[in-house]
Amino acid sequence: QKEVEQNSGPLSVPEGAIASLNCTYSDRGSQSFFWYRQYSGKSPELIMSIYSNGDKEDGRFTAQLNKASQYVSLLIRDSQPSDSATYLCAVDRGSTLGRLYFGRGTQLTVWP
Amino acid sequence: GAGVSQSPSNKVTEKGKDVELRCDPISGHTALYWYRQSLGQGLEFLIYFQGNSAPDKSGLPSDRFSAERTGGSVSTLTIQRTQQEDSAVYLCASSATGDEQFFGPGTRLTVL
Repeated sequence: QKEVEQNSGPLSVPEGAIASLNCTYSDRGSQSFFWYRQYSGKSPELIMSIYSNGDKEDGRFTAQLNKASQYVSLLIRDSQPSDSATYLCAVDRGSTLGRLYFGRGTQLTVWP
Repeated sequence: GAGVSQSPSNKVTEKGKDVELRCDPISGHTALYWYRQSLGQGLEFLIYFQGNSAPDKSGLPSDRFSAERTGGSVSTLTIQRTQQEDSAVYLCASSATGDEQFFGPGTRLTVL
């Protein structure tokens, strides 16, 4: 079982809709969870971090964490074409300090 | 302040040649990571430096790959006797806390 799994997509939503990106992880000891956005041909950019169960909102982005279900998600409200990118989920492991484990990413397309 | 910088941005080399890739982390960041990303693929962890501790080399794909970090700052990734399968984007990231990682723009390596 991979440490971090994401649906590869592509996920396609219309402009103004809510995009929902999901991620599951295998290590129950994980404490830190991150979402990165990667535009085509560019490097990953950190957009959200979450450490506690529940929701964390930042502008149009909401990260949701459920440690019991080992599930983390990213909601993008009022999606814009500029949100079209690959979104990477990253998770630490309690047994490996300082390392992050990345999912393969979900490709999101927002069409006007 | 300045972000993570990498050089060169592009490198084309011939099979069998050695290459050196450089990373300058964000000032004050004690953790430094190297990843590679092949076209359309996820991030592959290569190596991790944390302060003065021994590096975590568990991701290096072969003994042709090595990395060093001098003075706790600049890092160089060396690939000896390059092969065509080494062609990828090599990404460096740094972290102050050991969890949130910030990526440089990457070096695109092409082995002919």
